[in-house]
Amino acid sequence: AQTVTQSQPEMSVQEAETVTLSCTYDTSESDYYLFWYKQPPSRQMILVIRQEAYKQQNATENRFSVNFQKAAKSFSLKISDSQLGDAAMYFCAYTGANSKLTFGKGITLSVRP
Amino acid sequence: KAGVTQTPRYLIKTRGQQVTLSCSPISGHRSVSWYQQTPGQGLQFLFEYFSETQRNKGNFPGRFSGRQFSNSRSEMNVSTLELGDSALYLCASGTGAGANVLTFGAGSRLTVL
Repeated sequence: AQTVTQSQPEMSVQEAETVTLSCTYDTSESDYYLFWYKQPPSRQMILVIRQEAYKQQNATENRFSVNFQKAAKSFSLKISDSQLGDAAMYFCAYTGANSKLTFGKGITLSVRP
Repeated sequence: KAGVTQTPRYLIKTRGQQVTLSCSPISGHRSVSWYQQTPGQGLQFLFEYFSETQRNKGNFPGRFSGRQFSNSRSEMNVSTLELGDSALYLCASGTGAGANVLTFGAGSRLTVL
């Protein structure tokens, strides 16, 4: 079975600084996708970024980028120029052949003004 | 383009009762998935429907059931409610193909007394 591990329950970053959220996963599949979702206090889960396992190039979406290390099964999210609106819970997630999402426990990110 | 709509947003039930939650996916999406979110267990996959057929099922007791209609709208039902069923129930829709990137609804917050 696939597992997703987010070992840091909380992190804090100063506004305008950069922060990296860690995620590791375990799978025996060769074809899969990885995601980072953001869940603000409003509870609406929002897709931040996705990475296809077969792509070597790391995905980037504006201030958000990932460091995908397939051999190490690591998938970290870097948030540059942090903004107050980035404060939320962030979930790392995996999907493979069965199309269901397996989520990590999540990490609460706070942004200090 | 309308998002994923879940109703009701909040509801309170008592033990032993049953509840039905509704989810209207994004127009054109044929896949609907349901997730349960609790502070203790995190996000757990309930089931996925695609073209009115259950394609995947998580590890939940038979009290949890669902269905999908020809217009892709989905309902999930929980019978004989228990206190532990108190949770945020999230619905997500996707194309059902490829990465099947999911778009989530705002959730239905169920409290069981």
